[in-house]
Amino acid sequence: EDQVTQSPEALRLQEGESSSLNCSYTVSGLRGLFWYRQDPGKGPEFLFTLYSAGEEKEKERLKATLTKKESFLHITAPKPEDSATYLCAVQHFGNEKLTFGTGTRLTIIP
Amino acid sequence: EAGVTQSPTHLIKTRGQQVTLRCSPISGHTSVYWYQQALGLGLQFLLWYDEGEERNRGNFPPRFSGRQFPNYSSELNVNALELEDSALYLCASSLSGVTATQYFGPGTRLTVL
Repeated sequence: EDQVTQSPEALRLQEGESSSLNCSYTVSGLRGLFWYRQDPGKGPEFLFTLYSAGEEKEKERLKATLTKKESFLHITAPKPEDSATYLCAVQHFGNEKLTFGTGTRLTIIP
Repeated sequence: EAGVTQSPTHLIKTRGQQVTLRCSPISGHTSVYWYQQALGLGLQFLLWYDEGEERNRGNFPPRFSGRQFPNYSSELNVNALELEDSALYLCASSLSGVTATQYFGPGTRLTVL
């Protein structure tokens, strides 16, 4: 069974203080690893899909990387509007469902 | 382009009642997924519909059911509500095909008293 573990559970950063969020996964036959952002009471907003080890994707202050066992979401010089819960999910070949981690709640302090 | 829409936004029901939640996918998307997000837990996969057929379901009892209509919209039905059914119910849609990204709607918040 697919498993996703995210760490830390919560992270507080000062505005401009860069850091990384971790997503460790166990999956038989990774089809894709997905990062979403979720604001309180809202649906997840798609950020990135990574398909193979070594792949990297960037969007504004966010950069996602993938190895065979984990993914990192690097946030550079964050702003208060980056405060949200960041969710990681995996999908394996032969099954369309996403298996999610419980997320990292990120708070950026002005 | 309009995103995934869900209705209603909020619902309050009592134990034993039945509820129907609705989802309209992004135009052109034929796959619809339902997830449950209970407080403190991650999103749990409920159901997947594609081209009107149920393709897969998660580890939920049969009182969770649904359907997909010819216009690809979908309903999630929950019978005999229990307190632990209180959660945010999220619908997502995608194109059919390999590694199609799932885009989520705003969710329906269900409270069971």
